[in-house]
Amino acid sequence: DVKVTQSSRYLVKRTGEKVFLECVQDMDHENMFWYRQDPGLGLRLIYFSYDVKMKEKGDIPEGYSVSREKKERFSLILESASTNQTSMYLCASSLSWGTAGNQPQHFGDGTRLSIL
Amino acid sequence: QKEVEQDPGPLSVPEGAIVSLNCTYSNSAFQYFMWYRQYSRKGPELLMYTYSSGNKEDGRFTAQVDKSSKYISLFIRDSQPSDSATYLCAGTGGTGGFKTIFGAGTRLFVKA
Repeated sequence: DVKVTQSSRYLVKRTGEKVFLECVQDMDHENMFWYRQDPGLGLRLIYFSYDVKMKEKGDIPEGYSVSREKKERFSLILESASTNQTSMYLCASSLSWGTAGNQPQHFGDGTRLSIL
Repeated sequence: QKEVEQDPGPLSVPEGAIVSLNCTYSNSAFQYFMWYRQYSRKGPELLMYTYSSGNKEDGRFTAQVDKSSKYISLFIRDSQPSDSATYLCAGTGGTGGFKTIFGAGTRLFVKA
């Protein structure tokens, strides 16, 4: 079974802090993704990566950056945390089908981040 | 208009009922479609995925895609209280590139 592990289930930080969320997958997947999930808004893509050291902006990248130094690890960074970044953050990974799109994504259990 | 639309519910049914969950989508280039189940305080887990139009069955679950009407359905037979969760549909492929577009989810409650 694919396993996507997020480093923290719950995290509380203060405004202005730099926050790191870590994600590791064990299935040698090329693609990795960071989403945030908010009630009524569903899953919104923040950033994704289709290869080591490659990254692409998603739909809501403002205030976030990412790092992918190794294939199995994808980090999300909140440069200066703000209260509107309080949310559930989900990491996912997948193989690629090329032009047909992605194979299904496999998700971690999420990090519930509160910014005070 | 969102690319993938779902009724948020909640949908409440008695145990043993047949449940029908539905989505519509607007991107005609989508080729693959997925259903995820998400329990409270957990990440989404893949239930089923299908290619293009047609049906796919897995135990009590049947996924149906009608590309002509851009309609995706998930049927759950003999529903159980353990099926209580949020169900998300998704589409990918074509002009979506690497992106998978998710619906916001339908909350299902199955009463014992």
